[in-house]
Amino acid sequence: GDSVTQMEGPVTLSEEAFLTINCTYTATGYPSLFWYVQYPGEGLQLLLKATKADDKGSNKGFEATYRKETTSFHLEKGSVQVSDSAVYFCALYTGRRALTFGSGTRLQVQP
Amino acid sequence: SQTIHQWPATLVQPVGSPLSLECTVEGTSNPNLYWYRQAAGRGLQLLFYSVGIGQISSEVPQNLSASRPQDRQFILSSKKLLLSDSGFYLCAWKIVSGEIAPLHFGNGTRLTVT
Repeated sequence: GDSVTQMEGPVTLSEEAFLTINCTYTATGYPSLFWYVQYPGEGLQLLLKATKADDKGSNKGFEATYRKETTSFHLEKGSVQVSDSAVYFCALYTGRRALTFGSGTRLQVQP
Repeated sequence: SQTIHQWPATLVQPVGSPLSLECTVEGTSNPNLYWYRQAAGRGLQLLFYSVGIGQISSEVPQNLSASRPQDRQFILSSKKLLLSDSGFYLCAWKIVSGEIAPLHFGNGTRLTVT
């Protein structure tokens, strides 16, 4: 079945550091890929998405490129801020059922 | 604009007691509706989804049930809670579309079963 694997957290960085959160997937067919963010005590919000191979999703300084050859969708940001501290979820959608989420990666940014 | 309301925000219930969590969506019609659970330190687990009134698909066998009595209302229930039912419950909706539409989540209900 479909599955998403994310790097375990927490990831702890200093402000202005470079961020990478790895995400790989297994799916039948050609899924659409998403990153969601969950701030403390809140639900999830869509951060960015990519619907086909080599697409790059971007939002709020975050980027992720859909790599079909490596079945990956790694999240990157060049300079993190304290306000980026949250849990980040990678997800895929194949048109069946609902989104399949990874286990989430907690990011802690220290001033 | 569309909004999603989920309540209560927090709930503490004893083992064996019943449960009812409600979710309503405003500003859209005939959405797909979802219940997810996020256990401590774990990812999101899809519990139920619904594509229309009275249509419920269950993803995980358990002592929870869901109902959709109205187009924009989704209810999660249990007759007798277990300790393992503790977690963060999230309701979500998306439009039914041929395009890839994002999920919109409520703020969640934190359930503690004691």
